[in-house]
Amino acid sequence: EAGVAQSPRYKIIEKRQSVAFWCNPISGHATLYWYQQILGQGPKLLIQFQNNGVVDDSQLPKDRFSAERLKGVDSTLKIQPAKLEDSAVYLCASSSGQGVLYEQYFGPGTRLTVT
Amino acid sequence: AQSVAQPEDQVNVAEGNPLTVKCTYSVSGNPYLFWYVQYSNRGLQFLLKYITGDNLVKGSYGFEAEFNKSQTSFHLKKPSALVSDSALYFCAVRSGAGSYQLTFGKGTKLSVIP
Repeated sequence: EAGVAQSPRYKIIEKRQSVAFWCNPISGHATLYWYQQILGQGPKLLIQFQNNGVVDDSQLPKDRFSAERLKGVDSTLKIQPAKLEDSAVYLCASSSGQGVLYEQYFGPGTRLTVT
Repeated sequence: AQSVAQPEDQVNVAEGNPLTVKCTYSVSGNPYLFWYVQYSNRGLQFLLKYITGDNLVKGSYGFEAEFNKSQTSFHLKKPSALVSDSALYFCAVRSGAGSYQLTFGKGTKLSVIP
């Protein structure tokens, strides 16, 4: 079974530029999550999708971050404009359901450096 | 609000010795508790979880964790450490009520010394 795929793996941009990350979840997984992991901290949930609907985006900085999952499969996370404090690893995860019995599977992450 | 504390930034243990990585939590309602491991340059991997039932939970790679409700703790343990266990370990909690959100601790770096 193929795992969660993310691209790119690394990205360096200047502040005020825009950037987009892509995630392909495990086939058949209805639930998709985007996390931000700042160096020295644990992952923080940014947004959770159930199919193509948003379940929780309470910690997403909506003035600069946006995410979509139009067909309920792949997802993109965009930052526009980027700030220095957005430097982090962005992790995508998926699960076959939302309940605690459903394990979250994580992708390798995209490491973003904003200069 | 729910939270997780991992009081040790780093734990060093000799190969073959038992290891413990500590975790305490705060949550409204019944806690659902998880341990994940992150190897260098790779995503998080699920180790084990406590949902209900037996307080001692067994997981992958010989790891286990003990849920202690009175101490609000969920420490990760392994009887005999391997060099290959060296990694970053994250404890996470989710409340049984309300949000599906998983809250992670800041992580503990485990180094197993040959």
